[in-house]
Amino acid sequence: AQSVTQPDIHITVSEGASLELRCNYSYGATPYLFWYVQSPGQGLQLLLKYFSGDTLVQGIKGFEAEFKRSQSSFNLRKPSVHWSDAAEYFCAVQWRGGSNYKLTFGKGTLLTVNP
Amino acid sequence: EADIYQTPRYLVIGTGKKITLECSQTMGHDKMYWYQQDPGMELHLIHYSYGVNSTEKGDLSSESTVSRIRTEHFPLTLESARPSHTSQYLCASSELARAFFGQGTRLTVV
Repeated sequence: AQSVTQPDIHITVSEGASLELRCNYSYGATPYLFWYVQSPGQGLQLLLKYFSGDTLVQGIKGFEAEFKRSQSSFNLRKPSVHWSDAAEYFCAVQWRGGSNYKLTFGKGTLLTVNP
Repeated sequence: EADIYQTPRYLVIGTGKKITLECSQTMGHDKMYWYQQDPGMELHLIHYSYGVNSTEKGDLSSESTVSRIRTEHFPLTLESARPSHTSQYLCASSELARAFFGQGTRLTVV
């Protein structure tokens, strides 16, 4: 079955440290790939997306993500975390083809940033 | 396990019909959201609610309307469906920093 997995429910990092949030998907072909961030009480904001081409994608707020086909992964990274990055992060995939275009979210990773 | 439900999952309907997309959550969350998403595009917030009798328009203008009479229920209504309303509609609820999503409703207006 098609699925999206974010294996880390909660991650805590110190301000200034590097960050990597993991996302894996299960599907027979390459889907559209997204990372969203939700700050407390806010709606979702798109950080970046991958459709095709260069597998390293740059997003807003200094985030980037790398698509690795061999690992069915789309991990989100940031070299130096700021306190304002504390939020919940969602990986999402959208299956291509047919008339479904189903959008599926992972369960989210909650990021805590220590001063 | 989070419990937020959307019905129907798929709907094909004729132009001019009135439709209501249902969204219910059993977690007691005050904040609920409706998003619209076209294939390959990002989500757009079309409605949100911070509690009973509270509804606000989102970032993307939408001809749909919502109501929040009960905490657990946040239905979305289109009075007269048009082909331009064909899209995926995703409901979510949140508490503090955690958000939970429904399975989505794939609407096709023919």
